[in-house]
Formats: sequence, structure tokens, C-alpha cells
Amino acid sequence: AQSVTQPDIHITVSEGASLELRCNYSYGATPYLFWYVQSPGQGLQLLLKYFSGDTLVQGIKGFEAEFKRSQSSFNLRKPSVHWSDAAEYFCAVGAMDSNYQLIWGAGTKLIIKP
Amino acid sequence: EAGVAQSPRYKIIEKRQSVAFWCNPISGHATLYWYQQILGQGPKLLIQFQNNGVVDDSQLPKDRFSAERLKGVDSTLKIQPAKLEDSAVYLCASSLESLAGGYNEQFFGPGTRLTVL
Repeated sequence: AQSVTQPDIHITVSEGASLELRCNYSYGATPYLFWYVQSPGQGLQLLLKYFSGDTLVQGIKGFEAEFKRSQSSFNLRKPSVHWSDAAEYFCAVGAMDSNYQLIWGAGTKLIIKP
Repeated sequence: EAGVAQSPRYKIIEKRQSVAFWCNPISGHATLYWYQQILGQGPKLLIQFQNNGVVDDSQLPKDRFSAERLKGVDSTLKIQPAKLEDSAVYLCASSLESLAGGYNEQFFGPGTRLTVL
């Protein structure tokens, strides 16, 4: 069955520190992978996506993610977090043969310590 | 460019009552999605429209949920009667029409938070 796992329910990071959010997926077809951010009271916003090619993808707001097929992972990273990065982050997987309908992880809540 | 609009933003009802949510997608977006996001979980697709036709409603609990997009623009999602487990945020998203299997980004509205007492 297709699934997305985000092992960390919440993560606390000091402002200015680096960040890595984990995402593992199980998907039979060639997956297309996404990271979204959801700030309180706001809609989900696409941070970045991976379809093919270079396995290190750059997104908005200084985020990047690396696709590792051998580990079925698509971890999100940022070298230095800002207080405004506090939000919930969702990993999702989709495929062309399913109209890119997304299967979502449960999310990781990022807390920033001053 | 205006984003996806949803109303109301919050709704509190008692179980067995009915409720309706409204979504207005981004102008020109042919595809519209309704998701249910239960606290602590990721969004779950309820129904996908392409213009005024249903592409996928396999996860819509049709005994109590219904959705329509009569003119291919705005959409309404209804629950009747509501159960306690329907408490969730209901998200609407829209995207351009997919041509030749191409990907189009989904843009999300702020959601409607439903509490069923």
C-alpha cells in the first residue's frame, strides 16, 4: 500500500540552527515527492517538489530536499532556521498515473526556540 | 491574483445537524479538490472535480457527504447528518486543468474548521 511516514510529530530547533525533517515513503510506481508548509490559519503552501533529475532540489524560503531512492526518503533541510519558519510541514507523494493525487504524511510541527 | 476562498472559516454544530462549506477556486482553475484534515493527520482527499465533473470521489462517505460544482466554478461540500468524527479542517484546493498528463500545482485555501459537539 502507498504510504508516507514522517517519524517526528514535532521538532524543536533553536533559531539559527540547521534543520532536517524526515520523510519516508512507500510507493510502487515512480513517485513524485512534495513538501508543503502549513502556517497557523493559512493554507498549505508548496515548498518544493521532485519529479526527476537532480536528486537535490531547491525550494522557496531557503529550503532544500534530497531524494534518496535506496532509502525511500525525501528529507527536508534548511541550513539556518528563522522564527518565521515555525509551522507544520507535510511530505506528500503522488504519481502521474493517479492524476497526481497526493498521499500525505501526518506532518511534523516545527517549534523554534529563541 | 486572488487565492482560493473558503467560507465559513469556523463552524460549530451539534451531531446530527447539517452543515455546508463553500469554496471559490482561483479564476481559471478547472480542477478543484476537497480534503478532510483531522487533527494530527495529513489531508485526505474527499473528492476531485474537473470543471463540473467528478474525477474521483472514492473516499467520500456518500451516505452523509455530498459535493457539487454545478457551473464548474465554485463548489459546495455538505455533511448531513454530521457525526462527532467529522470534526476536522476541510480544505479546498484548485489547480489548472491537467493536459497530456502534465502536473499542475495545487493551491490551497485557508480551510474551514468544523467542530461537531
